[in-house]
Amino acid sequence: AQSVTQLGSHVSVSEGALVLLRCNYSSSVPPYLFWYVQYPNQGLQLLLKYTTGATLVKGINGFEAEFKKSETSFHLTKPSAHMSDAAEYFCAVLIKAAGNKLTFGGGTRVLVKP
Amino acid sequence: KAGVTQTPRYLIKTRGQQVTLSCSPISGHRSVSWYQQTPGQGLQFLFEYFSETQRNKGNFPGRFSGRQFSNSRSEMNVSTLELGDSALYLCASSLSDRVAEQFFGPGTRLTVL
Repeated sequence: AQSVTQLGSHVSVSEGALVLLRCNYSSSVPPYLFWYVQYPNQGLQLLLKYTTGATLVKGINGFEAEFKKSETSFHLTKPSAHMSDAAEYFCAVLIKAAGNKLTFGGGTRVLVKP
Repeated sequence: KAGVTQTPRYLIKTRGQQVTLSCSPISGHRSVSWYQQTPGQGLQFLFEYFSETQRNKGNFPGRFSGRQFSNSRSEMNVSTLELGDSALYLCASSLSDRVAEQFFGPGTRLTVL
Protein backbone atom coordinates (compact mmCIF):
# COMPACT_ATOMS: atom_id res chain seq x y z
CA ALA A 1 0.00 0.00 0.00
CA GLN A 2 1.14 3.53 -0.67
CA SER A 3 1.85 6.14 2.00
CA VAL A 4 2.93 9.77 2.24
CA THR A 5 5.01 11.46 4.91
CA GLN A 6 5.25 15.22 5.26
CA LEU A 7 8.11 16.34 7.44
CA GLY A 8 7.03 19.10 9.78
CA SER A 9 3.43 19.75 10.68
CA HIS A 10 4.14 23.49 11.03
CA VAL A 11 6.55 25.70 9.13
CA SER A 12 7.18 29.38 9.79
CA VAL A 13 8.79 31.57 7.13
CA SER A 14 9.40 35.26 6.73
CA GLU A 15 7.77 37.14 3.91
CA GLY A 16 10.13 37.04 0.93
CA ALA A 17 11.98 33.97 2.16
CA LEU A 18 12.15 30.55 0.54
CA VAL A 19 9.31 28.16 1.24
CA LEU A 20 10.33 24.48 1.36
CA LEU A 21 7.82 21.79 2.26
CA ARG A 22 9.04 18.21 2.33
CA CYS A 23 7.15 15.19 1.09
CA ASN A 24 8.30 11.57 0.88
CA TYR A 25 6.20 8.78 -0.47
CA SER A 26 6.16 5.02 -0.48
CA SER A 27 4.77 3.12 -3.43
CA SER A 28 5.48 -0.21 -5.10
CA VAL A 29 4.54 1.15 -8.51
CA PRO A 30 5.18 4.50 -10.23
CA PRO A 31 2.87 7.00 -8.57
CA TYR A 32 1.14 10.16 -9.56
CA LEU A 33 1.99 12.91 -7.07
CA PHE A 34 0.11 16.04 -6.09
CA TRP A 35 0.33 19.08 -3.89
CA TYR A 36 -2.88 20.66 -2.67
CA VAL A 37 -3.42 23.81 -0.61
CA GLN A 38 -6.27 24.40 1.81
CA TYR A 39 -7.26 27.81 3.09
CA PRO A 40 -9.39 28.09 6.24
CA ASN A 41 -12.94 26.85 5.82
CA GLN A 42 -12.33 25.86 2.23
CA GLY A 43 -11.78 22.73 0.20
CA LEU A 44 -8.53 21.67 -1.42
CA GLN A 45 -7.05 23.48 -4.38
CA LEU A 46 -4.58 21.75 -6.67
CA LEU A 47 -1.20 23.48 -6.77
CA LEU A 48 0.60 21.10 -9.09
CA LYS A 49 0.86 17.49 -10.14
CA TYR A 50 3.37 15.01 -11.47
CA THR A 51 2.14 12.19 -13.66
CA THR A 52 4.86 11.40 -16.20
CA GLY A 53 7.58 13.24 -18.10
CA ALA A 54 9.49 16.22 -16.77
CA THR A 55 10.40 15.76 -13.13
CA LEU A 56 10.38 19.48 -12.32
CA VAL A 57 6.78 20.57 -12.20
CA LYS A 58 5.60 24.15 -12.07
CA GLY A 59 2.29 25.03 -10.51
CA ILE A 60 0.14 27.97 -9.65
CA ASN A 61 1.11 30.91 -7.45
CA GLY A 62 4.84 30.46 -8.14
CA PHE A 63 5.16 27.01 -6.58
CA GLU A 64 7.14 24.17 -8.07
CA ALA A 65 8.09 20.64 -7.06
CA GLU A 66 10.65 18.12 -8.20
CA PHE A 67 10.00 14.40 -8.42
CA LYS A 68 13.08 12.45 -7.32
CA LYS A 69 12.51 8.76 -7.76
CA SER A 70 15.79 7.73 -6.14
CA GLU A 71 14.86 9.65 -3.00
CA THR A 72 11.11 8.90 -3.22
CA SER A 73 10.55 12.61 -2.67
CA PHE A 74 8.36 15.35 -4.07
CA HIS A 75 9.31 18.50 -2.18
CA LEU A 76 7.43 21.74 -2.78
CA THR A 77 9.23 25.08 -3.06
CA LYS A 78 8.51 28.73 -3.67
CA PRO A 79 11.41 31.19 -3.94
CA SER A 80 9.70 34.07 -2.16
CA ALA A 81 6.90 33.68 0.37
CA HIS A 82 3.91 36.00 0.31
CA MET A 83 1.48 36.63 3.12
CA SER A 84 -1.24 34.99 1.03
CA ASP A 85 0.72 31.70 1.13
CA ALA A 86 -0.35 31.14 4.73
CA ALA A 87 -2.42 27.96 4.52
CA GLU A 88 -2.18 24.21 4.99
CA TYR A 89 -0.45 22.17 2.32
CA PHE A 90 -1.04 18.52 1.55
CA CYS A 91 1.06 16.14 -0.47
CA ALA A 92 -0.81 13.21 -1.99
CA VAL A 93 -0.10 10.09 -4.01
CA LEU A 94 -2.36 8.25 -6.39
CA ILE A 95 -1.88 4.82 -7.91
CA LYS A 96 -3.83 4.78 -11.15
CA ALA A 97 -4.50 1.06 -11.05
CA ALA A 98 -6.30 1.63 -7.76
CA GLY A 99 -8.70 4.16 -9.23
CA ASN A 100 -9.01 7.78 -8.20
CA LYS A 101 -8.00 7.23 -4.60
CA LEU A 102 -5.73 9.89 -3.19
CA THR A 103 -3.59 9.03 -0.19
CA PHE A 104 -2.64 12.18 1.69
CA GLY A 105 0.17 13.15 3.98
CA GLY A 106 -0.60 14.69 7.34
CA GLY A 107 -0.34 18.23 6.06
CA THR A 108 2.00 21.16 6.79
CA ARG A 109 0.62 24.41 8.08
CA VAL A 110 2.58 27.40 6.81
CA LEU A 111 2.78 30.63 8.77
CA VAL A 112 4.19 33.67 7.00
CA LYS A 113 5.72 36.36 9.19
CA PRO A 114 5.82 39.97 7.99
CA LYS B 1 -17.65 26.70 -15.45
CA ALA B 2 -19.13 26.05 -12.04
CA GLY B 3 -17.01 24.13 -9.56
CA VAL B 4 -17.92 21.23 -7.33
CA THR B 5 -20.79 22.11 -5.05
CA GLN B 6 -21.66 20.46 -1.77
CA THR B 7 -24.78 20.84 0.28
CA PRO B 8 -25.36 21.58 3.02
CA ARG B 9 -22.20 23.44 4.04
CA TYR B 10 -22.83 22.97 7.76
CA LEU B 11 -24.81 20.37 9.63
CA ILE B 12 -25.42 19.60 13.28
CA LYS B 13 -26.78 16.22 14.29
CA THR B 14 -27.04 14.19 17.47
CA ARG B 15 -25.68 10.73 18.16
CA GLY B 16 -27.73 7.95 16.65
CA GLN B 17 -29.21 10.05 13.88
CA GLN B 18 -28.42 9.59 10.23
CA VAL B 19 -27.30 12.17 7.70
CA THR B 20 -27.16 12.55 3.93
CA LEU B 21 -24.66 14.80 2.22
CA SER B 22 -24.86 15.84 -1.42
CA CYS B 23 -22.23 16.57 -4.04
CA SER B 24 -22.69 17.96 -7.53
CA PRO B 25 -19.58 17.48 -9.67
CA ILE B 26 -18.27 19.79 -12.33
CA SER B 27 -20.36 19.49 -15.47
CA GLY B 28 -19.10 16.60 -17.58
CA HIS B 29 -17.20 14.95 -14.75
CA ARG B 30 -18.18 11.36 -14.17
CA SER B 31 -16.02 10.33 -11.24
CA VAL B 32 -16.87 11.45 -7.72
CA SER B 33 -14.81 10.66 -4.64
CA TRP B 34 -15.49 11.37 -0.98
CA TYR B 35 -12.98 12.10 1.75
CA GLN B 36 -13.23 12.65 5.48
CA GLN B 37 -11.00 15.23 7.13
CA THR B 38 -10.47 15.27 10.91
CA PRO B 39 -7.74 16.85 13.05
CA GLY B 40 -6.72 13.47 14.39
CA GLN B 41 -6.82 11.25 11.32
CA GLY B 42 -6.24 13.82 8.59
CA LEU B 43 -7.65 13.27 5.12
CA GLN B 44 -8.97 9.78 4.51
CA PHE B 45 -10.55 8.30 1.41
CA LEU B 46 -14.12 7.07 1.83
CA PHE B 47 -15.19 5.85 -1.60
CA GLU B 48 -15.25 6.62 -5.31
CA TYR B 49 -18.09 6.36 -7.79
CA PHE B 50 -17.84 6.25 -11.54
CA SER B 51 -20.83 5.86 -13.84
CA GLU B 52 -23.09 5.02 -10.88
CA THR B 53 -20.81 2.20 -9.70
CA GLN B 54 -18.67 2.19 -6.60
CA ARG B 55 -15.15 1.55 -7.86
CA ASN B 56 -13.17 1.91 -4.72
CA LYS B 57 -13.82 1.91 -1.02
CA GLY B 58 -11.74 3.07 1.91
CA ASN B 59 -11.46 1.51 5.33
CA PHE B 60 -14.64 2.80 6.94
CA PRO B 61 -17.46 0.90 8.65
CA GLY B 62 -20.61 -0.05 6.81
CA ARG B 63 -22.43 2.89 8.42
CA PHE B 64 -20.85 4.98 5.67
CA SER B 65 -22.43 4.48 2.29
CA GLY B 66 -22.86 6.35 -0.92
CA ARG B 67 -24.42 6.35 -4.31
CA GLN B 68 -24.19 8.13 -7.62
CA PHE B 69 -27.01 9.11 -9.90
CA SER B 70 -27.20 9.07 -13.67
CA ASN B 71 -26.38 12.80 -13.79
CA SER B 72 -23.19 12.05 -11.81
CA ARG B 73 -24.44 13.78 -8.67
CA SER B 74 -23.49 11.81 -5.60
CA GLU B 75 -24.75 11.43 -2.07
CA MET B 76 -23.14 9.90 0.96
CA ASN B 77 -25.04 8.67 3.96
CA VAL B 78 -23.88 8.05 7.48
CA SER B 79 -26.21 6.07 9.72
CA THR B 80 -26.19 5.80 13.50
CA LEU B 81 -23.95 8.81 13.92
CA GLU B 82 -21.16 8.72 16.48
CA LEU B 83 -19.27 11.64 18.04
CA GLY B 84 -16.20 10.60 16.06
CA ASP B 85 -18.02 11.19 12.79
CA SER B 86 -17.67 14.93 13.34
CA ALA B 87 -15.54 16.03 10.43
CA LEU B 88 -15.27 17.98 7.22
CA TYR B 89 -16.52 15.80 4.38
CA LEU B 90 -15.00 16.67 1.05
CA CYS B 91 -16.20 15.65 -2.36
CA ALA B 92 -13.94 15.65 -5.41
CA SER B 93 -14.78 15.18 -9.05
CA SER B 94 -12.69 14.03 -11.97
CA LEU B 95 -13.39 14.00 -15.68
CA SER B 96 -13.10 10.24 -16.05
CA ASP B 97 -11.40 7.21 -14.61
CA ARG B 98 -8.41 7.89 -16.83
CA VAL B 99 -7.74 11.39 -15.57
CA ALA B 100 -5.98 11.72 -12.24
CA GLU B 101 -6.70 15.38 -11.49
CA GLN B 102 -9.45 15.82 -8.95
CA PHE B 103 -11.28 19.04 -8.15
CA PHE B 104 -12.55 19.50 -4.63
CA GLY B 105 -15.67 21.12 -3.32
CA PRO B 106 -15.76 23.35 -0.22
CA GLY B 107 -16.90 20.52 2.00
CA THR B 108 -19.70 19.87 4.45
CA ARG B 109 -18.84 20.46 8.10
CA LEU B 110 -20.69 17.84 10.16
CA THR B 111 -20.89 18.22 13.92
CA VAL B 112 -22.29 15.35 15.96
CA LEU B 113 -23.43 16.23 19.47
